[in-house]
Amino acid sequence: RKEVEQDPGPFNVPEGATVAFNCTYSNSASQSFFWYRQDCRKEPKLLMSVYSSGNEDGRFTAQLNRASQYISLLIRDSKLSDSATYLCVVNMGTYKYIFGTGTRLKVLA
Amino acid sequence: GAGVSQSPSNKVTEKGKDVELRCDPISGHTALYWYRQRLGQGLEFLIYFQGNSAPDKSGLPSDRFSAERTGESVSTLTIQRTQQEDSAVYLCASSLWAGNEQFFGPGTRLTVL
Repeated sequence: RKEVEQDPGPFNVPEGATVAFNCTYSNSASQSFFWYRQDCRKEPKLLMSVYSSGNEDGRFTAQLNRASQYISLLIRDSKLSDSATYLCVVNMGTYKYIFGTGTRLKVLA
Repeated sequence: GAGVSQSPSNKVTEKGKDVELRCDPISGHTALYWYRQRLGQGLEFLIYFQGNSAPDKSGLPSDRFSAERTGESVSTLTIQRTQQEDSAVYLCASSLWAGNEQFFGPGTRLTVL
């Protein structure tokens, strides 16, 4: 089983739609969690950290479910500019960051 | 404020040549990381620095790869006798401490002919 698993997609959604991605992780000792977006041929950019209580930043909401060992990202009112690959990253509290292979999102006009 | 910067942004070299890639982390970030990303692939961990020491070099693919860091500042990744399979984007990231949010530089796209 991979340490971090994501559905590769692509998720094709119309503008204005709500879309959600999940990411599962295998190590219950994982301590911190992040979502990054990566545009084609660009570097990953931090979207948001994921906290136990869940957190929201504008149209983006992240949740952590430690019991089931997954994190989620919800995007409301999708924009064309949201088209990217979304990377789930899990950290063990050390320098080791485990990257998922990413979920591709395409927002269609 | 200034983010992580890397140079050069692109490097084309001939097989067998040596290349040096540079990373300037965010000021005050103690942790620095190098990753490699081949086209269409995920991120591959290469090396981590805490200050100027490198506790984990396990990700370096071969002894042709080496890296160093000056204090809590600039890092260089050197690839000797480049091979075509070294062609990739080399990404540098820094974080305040290990385990915090990482911030990535724009990468160096290396092409070995």
